[in-house]
Order: sequence, then structure tokens, then C-alpha cells
Amino acid sequence: GENVEQHPSTLSVQEGDSAVIKCTYSDSASNYFPWYKQELGKRPQLIIDIRSNVGEKKDQRIAVTLNKTAKHFSLHITETQPEDSAVYFCAAGFSGSARQLTFGSGTQLTVLP
Amino acid sequence: DSGVTQTPKHLITATGQRVTLRCSPRSGDLSVYWYQQSLDQGLQFLIQYYNGEERAKGNILERFSAQQFPDLHSELNLSSLELGDSALYFCASSVDKTGELFFGEGSRLTVL
Repeated sequence: GENVEQHPSTLSVQEGDSAVIKCTYSDSASNYFPWYKQELGKRPQLIIDIRSNVGEKKDQRIAVTLNKTAKHFSLHITETQPEDSAVYFCAAGFSGSARQLTFGSGTQLTVLP
Repeated sequence: DSGVTQTPKHLITATGQRVTLRCSPRSGDLSVYWYQQSLDQGLQFLIQYYNGEERAKGNILERFSAQQFPDLHSELNLSSLELGDSALYFCASSVDKTGELFFGEGSRLTVL
């Protein structure tokens, strides 16, 4: 089955700096790579996703890049703000079927004011 | 609001007991997924149902079982509870063609 590794497990940045979280996956058949943000005590929420026919996707201050050859993808957050502090999960799966997503272990991002 | 409803929000019970967690998916979503999140842990996939049938099974213990009913709501049954079963249990639903998961608010289970 799919195996997703996520690094780092914790990340602290100064407000205004950039943050990068990296994930690798094992199943070359995976073609859907979402990122979820989970605030303390809340449910995970999708913040951005990318499919394998695209190398990069941006949405305001967040961007995701995908390297299918190397089987890794990354989340980039620019101009970080205190409200970006949360746990971020990457996941890999196959869009178009009922196969489940496999999640990474999560990154606790802390943005210091 | 994701449109996924989970009940109860909080549940405290004793070891050896049995509990049932309930999930109503978003309108139109046929797939329901159950995830377990222990303290400071990631999201561990338990089981998935699609239109009433079990579609995929993850690290679900034999003491746990689930089902999806004709109205598409799902129940996760946890029996012979142990202290280590204390966790936040999330239900999620999806439209299969996109793969995006919509999570409920979770049911926090505490086993004393």
C-alpha cells in the first residue's frame, strides 16, 4: 500500500517568513495530493491540492509543488501569519476511485509574532 | 461547516464497554471514511464504505466494526474498550471523482 512520509514534524518560523513542508510517497499510481490544515481541537480542512498532471499550483500565499519522478511534493507558505499556526497534513491517493487517502504524520507549524 | 455530521461530540466511558459513533455524510456523497487520531498522532485510516459496501480497510482492530446504512449514514462500533482507544474519531465523506475528503467535527472518546 501507499506510504507517505512528512518532514519536519515541527517547524517554527518568524511572522513574515516562509515555511516549507515536504512529503514523499511510495505508490507511483497515486495521482492526487491534498494538504489539510488542522487547528487545535478542530477538524482537518483542505487548503490546497494538486493532481499529477500539474507541477505547481498556487492559491494566494500557499503553493504546492509536485515532482512525480522523485515522488515528492511540498507545501510552501509565504508571508506567514500567526493564524497559519496549525498542524498540516499531506496525503496521497488516487482520484477517480473510492480508494482512501494515506496521510503523512503531520507538521506542527508555529508562527512566532 | 463541512456538511458532515458526527455524534456524539464527546463520550466518556469505562474500559470493557461498547460505544457507537454515528456519521451522516454530505448530501450526495456515497463514500464514508473513518479515521482515528490519537493524542499528537496523525490520521490513521480505519475503514471506508461506498454506497453501503465496505470498500477498503486500514488499521482497524477486530474489536471495531462499522457499517453504512441505506440512507448512507454510517456507524462505527467500538467494543471491549481499552484505555488506548481514547482518541478523536473522524468521519469524512467524499465525492469519489474528486477524492477531496470533507471531515466532520469528530467524536472525542475518553476511556477511563
